[in-house]
Amino acid sequence: QITLKESGPTLVKPTQTLTLTCTFSGFSLSTSGVGVGWIRQPPGKALEWLALIYWDDDKRYSPSLKSRLTITKDTSKNQVVLTMTNMDPVDTATYYCAHMSYGDYGDYFDYWGQGTLVTVSS
Amino acid sequence: DIQMTQSPSSVSASVGDRVTITCRASQGISSWLAWYQQKPGKAPKLLIYAASSLQSGVPSRFSGSGSGTDFTLTISSLQPEDFATYYCQQANSFLPKTFGQGTRLEIK
Repeated sequence: QITLKESGPTLVKPTQTLTLTCTFSGFSLSTSGVGVGWIRQPPGKALEWLALIYWDDDKRYSPSLKSRLTITKDTSKNQVVLTMTNMDPVDTATYYCAHMSYGDYGDYFDYWGQGTLVTVSS
Repeated sequence: DIQMTQSPSSVSASVGDRVTITCRASQGISSWLAWYQQKPGKAPKLLIYAASSLQSGVPSRFSGSGSGTDFTLTISSLQPEDFATYYCQQANSFLPKTFGQGTRLEIK
């Protein structure tokens, strides 16, 4: 079955760079029609899509955060890495990675990791 | 940027009630829309994709409709486990995967 798990620091200081890793199993990111995305959720607030990488290495970013984000994949390790630069306290949130199915019906996040809470504070 | 606006922001209902949540896109997205359910402290769960297709394992009391800019999620007969927050998400491959602001479904 498909599983995903996020890992990374729980606490970062303002201006630092956050690096999160999504380690997954049950699928290959070299398979056509597959992607992995990152979504975050500040405490008590709504979901916010951040970035997405497709099986063919095509990458998409949230327009409002594009300058701060980089998404990469390591197919051999079954991992996707998200980096976010210049962290600020408003970036405090639970960060989720999710498996995306891509096809004629669009892009849908059908399997999610448990999420990891990242706090930005000095 | 595309905006997804849900209404209402919150709704109170009783077990057995029929509930409808709406989602409006700021531009036409055909049928490229998903609905997710999220319970406190848990990751979201995909309920509906392509506006009206039920994800495997999701109870048939959930249904979706709409196309273009206006969409609805309907729960035909609320069950205790349905009290949660619901999000729509635009799913067009060429646009940002924007989520709505969420609708909290509470017990009356």
